[in-house]
Parts: sequence; C-alpha cells; structure tokens
Amino acid sequence: EVQLLESGGGLVQPGGSLRLSCVASGFTFSSSAMTWVRQTPGEGLEWVSTLSGSGTSIYYADSVKGRFTISRDNSKNTLFLQMNSLRAEDTAVYYCAKKYALASHCLLDYWGQGTLVTVSS
Amino acid sequence: EIVMTQSPATLSVSPGERATLSCRASQSVIPHLAWYQQKPGQAPRLLIYGASTRASTIPARFSGSGSGTEFTLTISSLQSEDFAVYYCQQYNDWPLTFGGGTRVEIK
Repeated sequence: EVQLLESGGGLVQPGGSLRLSCVASGFTFSSSAMTWVRQTPGEGLEWVSTLSGSGTSIYYADSVKGRFTISRDNSKNTLFLQMNSLRAEDTAVYYCAKKYALASHCLLDYWGQGTLVTVSS
Repeated sequence: EIVMTQSPATLSVSPGERATLSCRASQSVIPHLAWYQQKPGQAPRLLIYGASTRASTIPARFSGSGSGTEFTLTISSLQSEDFAVYYCQQYNDWPLTFGGGTRVEIK
C-alpha cells in the first residue's frame, strides 16, 4: 500500500523559513518522480515543484522559484521542501504526491494527507 | 501557462441522478488530462487519467471524455459518497495546472 506522510508544517513569520518532509512507503521511491502541490481556500490547488527520481530534473512554479528548494534522500525514502523568504501568500496545506509509474508525463496518482503552513506575524 | 477552467462552480444533484462536469483548457492537452475527487479534510484522489481511463478501484459510474481542449466528467448515478469537490488537471506541460473545481452538492 502506497503511503505518503508529510510533516514539518507550522506557524512561521513572514520572511522566515520552514522545511517540509514527506516519508514514502509502498513503492520504489528512488524510481519515482515526486511533486509538491499546495492548496489554499481561496486559490484552489497549485503545483509547486517536481523532482525526478534520480534528482537530476527539477521544476518549480514561478511563484516559488528562488525561494523554495526541492530535494530528496532516496536512502531514507524522503522528499523535502525547503521554504525560505516565506510570504503570507505561501499559507496553504502542502501535499506531496507521487508520479504514476507508467505515465510518460507527470500524472499524480497518490497524495499524502498534507501539512499546514501558516505564514503570519 | 495552460489555464484550466471548470464549470459550473457548484452543481446541485439528487442522489441517483446523473452529474456532468465540464473542464476547458486554454490549449490542447490531450491526452494528458486528469480528474480528482476531494472530500473535506482529505487529499485529492485520482479518478480519471488520459481523459478517459479510470484509475484503479474507481467505480464504473465515473467516466471521462473529451479531446483537445474540452473535457467532461460524468457520474452516472450519484451515490452519497460522491458528494465532493472535483478538479481537472493537465499534465501535458509545465507548469502543471488545475481547474478551480466543481462542488457537487446534495439537492
């Protein structure tokens, strides 16, 4: 059974930093591209970043480029999102999701339950 | 960026009735179009991919159709567990983009 468990969310002041983690199980993590998606009540679902299984291909949304860094530790089946220079508009539930193994493009077939990030003074 | 537009924003349907949800892409995304279901407090669940292929364990009452830029999700006979928010998403190109969602509520 595929499981994705996010952690690391919380309350942070504007300009601050936070590091999210996503521990994966139930599939071959090192072979799977992984993605962060966030959701705000007013803006719906927004793709944030994707990292290939090998770590060589990385994609970021323009809204987070230069501030967020996606990374992974395949030895620990863990995906990370380092978030710096946080803004109020980064407030959201952050989900990690895995790419469907048989898809040629980045189809997201399993999602974690999410971790809430609140940026506020 | 490919803009995804869903309609209607809210759909009121009685149990047992058919629900038809629409999704439009600002440019062709075929066949890389997915539909997700999300219930309160839960993560999105993949229903349909490739515009018309049901994901594993998804009941046959869910079907997807469409091509190019116009897509439809049909729920043939709504069950109580189907009342939720539904999102379409294109995965044809970066950035991945989602529609604003359609809330299916009990009439």
